[in-house]
Amino acid sequence: EPEVTQTPSHQVTQMGQEVILRCVPISNHLYFYWYRQILGQKVEFLVSFYNNEISEKSEIFDDQFSVERPDGSNFTLKIRSTKLEDSAMYFCASSVWVAGRRGPVYEQYFGPGTRLTVT
Amino acid sequence: EDQVTQSPEALRLQEGESSSLNCSYTVSGLRGLFWYRQDPGKGPEFLFTLYSAGEEKEKERLKATLTKKESFLHITAPKPEDSATYLCAVRHNGGATNKLIFGTGTLLAVQP
Repeated sequence: EPEVTQTPSHQVTQMGQEVILRCVPISNHLYFYWYRQILGQKVEFLVSFYNNEISEKSEIFDDQFSVERPDGSNFTLKIRSTKLEDSAMYFCASSVWVAGRRGPVYEQYFGPGTRLTVT
Repeated sequence: EDQVTQSPEALRLQEGESSSLNCSYTVSGLRGLFWYRQDPGKGPEFLFTLYSAGEEKEKERLKATLTKKESFLHITAPKPEDSATYLCAVRHNGGATNKLIFGTGTLLAVQP
């Protein structure tokens, strides 16, 4: 069964360093997302990406964050200068739309996550 | 502001003891309510999508239902392997947005 994969599974970095988190979405999916989950808290939306551009971003997704689809299979999240409060699980998700009674519904499938620890 | 509230925060059941988890939501035009299962240290695993009030979906021991204000995840005769955190999320009718708004989840522990 196709699945979203993410690398690395765990990343430890020092404050102020740049990190790149990588994801390979499900191959026929066209919509890509990043979410994060701080330990013990809700899963929070960061950004959605479609047709090679950001379609929506949250307040969390400030100028320190960027996303890219460098080739036909990878989707990356870059944090330019990490802060202690960036420590969290980062989840990549992808979706394809499914016909619903009130229009298309986008069922999102999540990867296993990258645990980012900023020291 | 769109909100999702799940209850209880934690639930402990004996194997075979059926129960229900609640997800109440406030959203401006629901365009899908989603249930996920999350194991410790793992990503959310998709279970169900519900679109409109009155809809029900089933998968093995799980059954999800939807009203205009809340959704229930019924667990019938649970087994220890059903132990996990169950997350509810909604997508609102915000034009092109696909973002999901999650609740804090219900941590389910099923004891043998």
